[in-house]
Amino acid sequence: AQKVTQAQTEISVVEKEDVTLDCVYETRDTTYYLFWYKQPPSGELVFLIRRNSFDEQNEISGRYSWNFQKSTSSFNFTITASQVVDSAVYFCALRGNSGNTPLVFGKGTRLSVIA
Amino acid sequence: DGGITQSPKYLFRKEGQNVTLSCEQNLNHDAMYWYRQDPGQGLRLIYYSQIVNDFQKGDIAEGYSVSREKKESFPLTVTSAQKNPTAFYLCASRPLQGARNQPQHFGDGTRLSIL
Repeated sequence: AQKVTQAQTEISVVEKEDVTLDCVYETRDTTYYLFWYKQPPSGELVFLIRRNSFDEQNEISGRYSWNFQKSTSSFNFTITASQVVDSAVYFCALRGNSGNTPLVFGKGTRLSVIA
Repeated sequence: DGGITQSPKYLFRKEGQNVTLSCEQNLNHDAMYWYRQDPGQGLRLIYYSQIVNDFQKGDIAEGYSVSREKKESFPLTVTSAQKNPTAFYLCASRPLQGARNQPQHFGDGTRLSIL
């Protein structure tokens, strides 16, 4: 069975602070795929990044960076110099390699960035 | 522009009434999904379909029904058997050809409330 745990339910930071959102996953598949989505107040889910299990290279995109560590089954997301527009709910998700299965989502972390 | 259209944006249901949520995509995606989102619960899978005229139950299918008569359309009916239908419903799709790391694309959601 696949499982994604986002232990942080809510986080509040002051603008320009750095913040890390944690994601821990469980799977028995040797090949799997990890995703991060952002849900702004308007409600739609916006795809941010995907990572294959066989690619442990970390990634940086502007103020966003992702740290994938297979040894600890974690795929953490860091926002540097946070801005008010970063306020949203962030979801981590997992897809195993057992056919074309749907994504399994964590419960999400609500990030509030205060000006 | 290609995308996923969910309608209506807001829907109200009376006791004992069935209601249908619409989901249409023009992305030529094979797979379509319905998720339910409750506060603090993340996204939970209701039903999904990988091909026309075929669909599978997700984790919380009781009280819901779907059909997939056309590739572009995957309507969700919330039946009177669903005793707690108040939630935010999200439809998603993705292609099945190609790599399994393809992300799911989401619509803007339908918010359903009981009158």
